[in-house]
Amino acid sequence: GAVVSQHPSWVICKSGTSVKIECRSLDFQATTMFWYRQFPKQSLMLMATSNEGSKATYEQGVEKDKFLINHASLTLSTLTVTSAHPEDSSFYICSARDLQELYEQYFGPGTRLTVT
Amino acid sequence: AQSVAQPEDQVNVAEGNPLTVKCTYSVSGNPYLFWYVQYPNRGLQFLLKYITGDNLVKGSYGFEAEFNKSQTSFHLKKPSALVSDSALYFCAVRDTRRRDSWGKLQFGAGTQVVVTP
Repeated sequence: GAVVSQHPSWVICKSGTSVKIECRSLDFQATTMFWYRQFPKQSLMLMATSNEGSKATYEQGVEKDKFLINHASLTLSTLTVTSAHPEDSSFYICSARDLQELYEQYFGPGTRLTVT
Repeated sequence: AQSVAQPEDQVNVAEGNPLTVKCTYSVSGNPYLFWYVQYPNRGLQFLLKYITGDNLVKGSYGFEAEFNKSQTSFHLKKPSALVSDSALYFCAVRDTRRRDSWGKLQFGAGTQVVVTP
């Protein structure tokens, strides 16, 4: 149980285009999902907290107009990188909190974004 | 403010030897502490957590961790390391005090574990 999927697993896009990453909880309901960014050989940096049916809460320094987050249902959150630039190239990981559990987050496998 | 420190960028150990990955934390209030493992180009896998109770926590794949309140540490241990344990390990602390940050995890910088045959 407690599986989180991400799609796509990797994507290459050109500068100036937008790309959408999906995060799904497959066998549980997630009222809260988190989006992280990870640079090579570095730690995870929390970008935003996504709550179902409400606006996402962004961490300081994260541009909300550039990284659009939508959490339309209890099993799906999307992250759209708008007008992508090469510096947006990174590994993006989502996690989800089970409605029934207090403590744990379950992580997706990550999405490798490369902007050329 | 809460923080997590993993003082070692890399830990090298021979297969069959004990493995320890260090973690210290700084939080207000009672900490919720976690260990995760990450294999290349993969997401994080949960290993174990400390919420309350017994200071020695047993987790997945033979790992355990000891919560030490006086030393504010939560070191990860495995009695006998395997080559397949080679991966990136993250310690994390969850904020339990502030309502607007409920559930957020603060991660350490990560420790690369290399187990040689």
